[in-house]
Amino acid sequence: NTKITQSPRYLILGRANKSLECEQHLGHNAMYWYKQSAEKPPELMFLYNLKQLIRNETVPSRFIPECPDSSKLLLHISAVDPEDSAVYFCASSQERGLGENTGQLYFGEGSKLTVL
Amino acid sequence: GDSVTQTEGQVALSEEDFLTIHCNYSASGYPALFWYVQYPGEGPQFLFRASRDKEKGSSRGFEATYDKGTTSFHLRKASVQESDSAVYYCALGDANSGTYQRFGTGTKLQVVP
Repeated sequence: NTKITQSPRYLILGRANKSLECEQHLGHNAMYWYKQSAEKPPELMFLYNLKQLIRNETVPSRFIPECPDSSKLLLHISAVDPEDSAVYFCASSQERGLGENTGQLYFGEGSKLTVL
Repeated sequence: GDSVTQTEGQVALSEEDFLTIHCNYSASGYPALFWYVQYPGEGPQFLFRASRDKEKGSSRGFEATYDKGTTSFHLRKASVQESDSAVYYCALGDANSGTYQRFGTGTKLQVVP
């Protein structure tokens, strides 16, 4: 899948700070960060539409999203906790506008974070 | 709030068996309903969607029909193959926000030859 690229693919952290990067080549206007813990479904963390943060689920403040342009999404992580060990997926979709049915999500391959 | 329930956590079948994975939802109005499949080490992949009562979605031999009366969107396949082994997620699109999809707990399908 080269339509949505994520980096790094694997990340092992102590208490350091790090950023995850995502770029989509689909021309979509909505981008998402999902967290998937082992044996669990993906859970929405953040949602951007046209570079505006419009959905921010209950996420610890050590996770800070950034959307520098409509095709890029960053997730800055500081002082990670063992409960943060998971795969972080970037996704995108083409939305027709608020209040209308959602479009299908396209997911990247994920960034696997392991907290020591 | 809106939610989606998958009753089977795991399903084990033999090749050519018939598959049913149950999905029920709780939401107001007509939320969009989706099925995704996730293979090990990969992100979820869209299978198909439906957004109106009695609308049928289908892809790769899988199908599901939106049923507002029973609030269901069950996944079916007439004859499974070993390559269908994966985790299947039913998802519900938030009709109010228009841009948020909530995933069910997932069903792990194992097909043996």
